[in-house]
This record gives sequence, C-alpha cells and structure tokens, in this order.
Amino acid sequence: QKEVEQNSGPLSVPEGAIASLNCTYSDRGSQSFFWYRQYSGKSPELIMSIYSNGDKEDGRFTAQLNKASQYVSLLIRDSQPSDSATYLCAASLSGTASKLTFGTGTRLQVTL
Amino acid sequence: GAGVSQTPSNKVTEKGKYVELRCDPISGHTALYWYRQSLGQGPEFLIYFQGTGAADDSGLPNDRFFAVRPEGSVSTLKIQRTERGDSAVYLCASSPQTGTAYGYTFGSGTRLTVV
Repeated sequence: QKEVEQNSGPLSVPEGAIASLNCTYSDRGSQSFFWYRQYSGKSPELIMSIYSNGDKEDGRFTAQLNKASQYVSLLIRDSQPSDSATYLCAASLSGTASKLTFGTGTRLQVTL
Repeated sequence: GAGVSQTPSNKVTEKGKYVELRCDPISGHTALYWYRQSLGQGPEFLIYFQGTGAADDSGLPNDRFFAVRPEGSVSTLKIQRTERGDSAVYLCASSPQTGTAYGYTFGSGTRLTVV
C-alpha cells in the first residue's frame, strides 16, 4: 500500500462545476497535509494546507480532512479551464516532520 | 531572490558522467530540500538541509548521490557515474524553517536526461 494514494485520473468536469479530488494516506500519525497544483512542464505550486479535522476554505478551494478515515480532499468550486492541471496530495508522515510524501497526482481536465 | 532558482534548467549528459545541479533558495529560508520527480509520479524526497548540515539524507538512492550546502544558502546536488535511470526532474524547495507547517516553495526544476 502506498503511503499517499490518489486516483491518477483524468477527472473531467465541465466549466463551472465542482471538482472533487481525493487522497488517502496510510500513516495514522500523519499531521500535516498539502495540496499542490502542477501544470504540465512546470513545478508544483502550493495551493492549500490543512492540519485539523474539518474544512478549510480559500477562495474557490476547500480542503477537507478526516483523520479517522485517513482521507483528504480538495474541492474546486466554479471550475475554470485554467484549473486544468495535476493536483498532488502530500502528507507529513509521523516521524518525518520536515519532509513531505507525495501521491502520484490526479489529472484534472475542465472542459468548455 | 524572489523565488527558488535552479540551474541549469536542462542538462543532457552521457551515461557515466558527473553532473552538478544548483539551487539558490529564497533569501532567508534556512531549510532547503531536494526532490526528484519522474514522469507520471509525485516528487520523491532525496535530502534536506537545515542551515549547512544535511538533517535527513535518507532519500538519496545510493552513494552516487551527494549534496552540499557549505554556507547555508546555495546547495549543489552532485551525481557521479550517472545512469539512464537517473533521468528525471530534480526539484529544489525552501521554507523559512524546518517543519512542514509552512509548506514548500519549489524552484522550476532541472530536467536531467542521461543518454
């Protein structure tokens, strides 16, 4: 079992819809969780961080964390074609406070 | 500088050669990280520095890989006797201090191709 798992996609949503990206992690002691966006040929860009159970909203983005289910999600409201990218989930596993373990990423396609 | 700077942006080298990849972190950031990303994969941790010292080098795949940060700022990742399997994008990131609470700011990466 991978430490951080994501469906590789592609996830296709129409413009204006809500995109829901999901991530599970195996280490129950993981503390910090991050979502990065990566455009093709570019480096990852941090878009959200979450540390506590519940929801965290920033503009069109909402991160959700459920530590009991070991599940992190990212919702993108009013999806735009410019949101088309690969979204990487990352976690700080227990005992590794200063490094992140990344999933393989989910490719999102927002269609016109 | 304004962001994390990595040079060169692209490097093509022959199998068996030695390469150096450079990273200049955001000014004032004490923590510096090296990751490697292969096609279709997420970034994979290699090593991180707090100041001048390597605090965790557990991700270095073997002894052909070595990294330094002699003055606590610029870092160089060195790969000896390169192999085709070393081909990947090498990403450098920095943060104000250790601990992942701040997340990382990545540089634009160095694409290494070993032929």
